[in-house]
Amino acid sequence: GEDVEQSLFLSVREGDSSVINCTYTDSSSTYLYWYKQEPGAGLQLLTYIFSNMDMKQDQRLTVLLNKKDKHLSLRIADTQTGDSAIYFCAESLHRVGGGADGLTFGKGTHLIIQP
Amino acid sequence: DVKVTQSSRYLVKRTGEKVFLECVQDMDHENMFWYRQDPGLGLRLIYFSYDVKMKEKGDIPEGYSVSREKKERFSLILESASTNQTSMYLCASSFRAHEQYFGPGTRLTVT
Repeated sequence: GEDVEQSLFLSVREGDSSVINCTYTDSSSTYLYWYKQEPGAGLQLLTYIFSNMDMKQDQRLTVLLNKKDKHLSLRIADTQTGDSAIYFCAESLHRVGGGADGLTFGKGTHLIIQP
Repeated sequence: DVKVTQSSRYLVKRTGEKVFLECVQDMDHENMFWYRQDPGLGLRLIYFSYDVKMKEKGDIPEGYSVSREKKERFSLILESASTNQTSMYLCASSFRAHEQYFGPGTRLTVT
């Protein structure tokens, strides 16, 4: 079955790099995502990676995918106070017949920034 | 920019009431989704729709129904609200099968 696991909390100092980790169980996942949720807001798509890629970089964000170990990570360089949020890892599967795919989310990692 | 709006940010209803949560998107997306978010459980998919009048059950459809009469609008219906349906409800839409865009959420309290 589908299951996405991530740590509930991560605390880092301002200016350091944050690395948020995620493991998933379904090897047929086609896309893997990182979403950010700030307090009182909906989810914002940060980035995604297709399952045939190993790495994707977008400004301060680096996504690494280890398909063999079913491990996904999000690295945020030079972490700022504005990065304080909950980060959700999610996967989608290609369903037979196409159409919409609901995402399977992890429980979210609270990123706490220390001054 | 994609905009997904939800009819209410906060809603308080009594047990047994019929509740409608409305979601509207302005980007002509085919796919729309309803999730609920609970502490310690993350987001769970309730229902989704890939076309007008089409719907499919997600992981936790019990106690809910949906309606998609127009492409831009996807409604979540609680026929008889119960206290265990107190939650944050999030609507999302997408054009392709991924890249879902979320609304701000509706925090529903059932007393």
